[in-house]
Amino acid sequence: DQQVKQNSPSLSVQEGRISILNCDYTNSMFDYFLWYKKYPAEGPTFLISISSIKDKNEDGRFTVFLNKSAKHLSLHIVPSQPGDSAVYFCAASMNYGGSQGNLIFGKGTKLSVKP
Amino acid sequence: DGGITQSPKYLFRKEGQNVTLSCEQNLNHDAMYWYRQDPGQGLRLIYYSQIVNDFQKGDIAEGYSVSREKKESFPLTVTSAQKNPTAFYLCASSIKRERFEQFFGPGTRLTVL
Repeated sequence: DQQVKQNSPSLSVQEGRISILNCDYTNSMFDYFLWYKKYPAEGPTFLISISSIKDKNEDGRFTVFLNKSAKHLSLHIVPSQPGDSAVYFCAASMNYGGSQGNLIFGKGTKLSVKP
Repeated sequence: DGGITQSPKYLFRKEGQNVTLSCEQNLNHDAMYWYRQDPGQGLRLIYYSQIVNDFQKGDIAEGYSVSREKKESFPLTVTSAQKNPTAFYLCASSIKRERFEQFFGPGTRLTVL
């Protein structure tokens, strides 16, 4: 049973426009969320994170929004650039119990930014 | 400069052979992790280690083994008991398990023929 879901396998956006990548989770014990970016045949690179005590975190062109009541988070990229084309993974973690610190990943969304 | 190295980038093995994937970090991180990625799938946790000489099974540990004799090194052995070993393997580390940002190596693509 998937605890972290990225229901859109792919997304295509025009350069300069906004990209919105979505992520849903089922476990209400998750209290920390991360976004990673991955190019083919490379390791993921950390992009941005958000704690459950916040509903927004911004870093340059990247903003993550968290809606705890809906168990939903989204990553906004504004403006989108061709170099943003990659697979984006959403990940979640909880700060207690035997799984403390372990990341649960979604299946990823492939973003294509067209010039 | 600091980082995580995995070697080799591509690895080919015959079915039935054990193979060990290397992971080294010079970030002075306490925690290290091994993940597996299959096409169209997210990353799945194989094993993790919080401290030297200690490691725990992740979600898909069957057919794999690890060791953590040094803080810098966390090799993964894919044994012949692993039914579908062909995959992209990723090693990661974090300062400690309470700090959730994990930093990943470049990965090793293992193909079993």
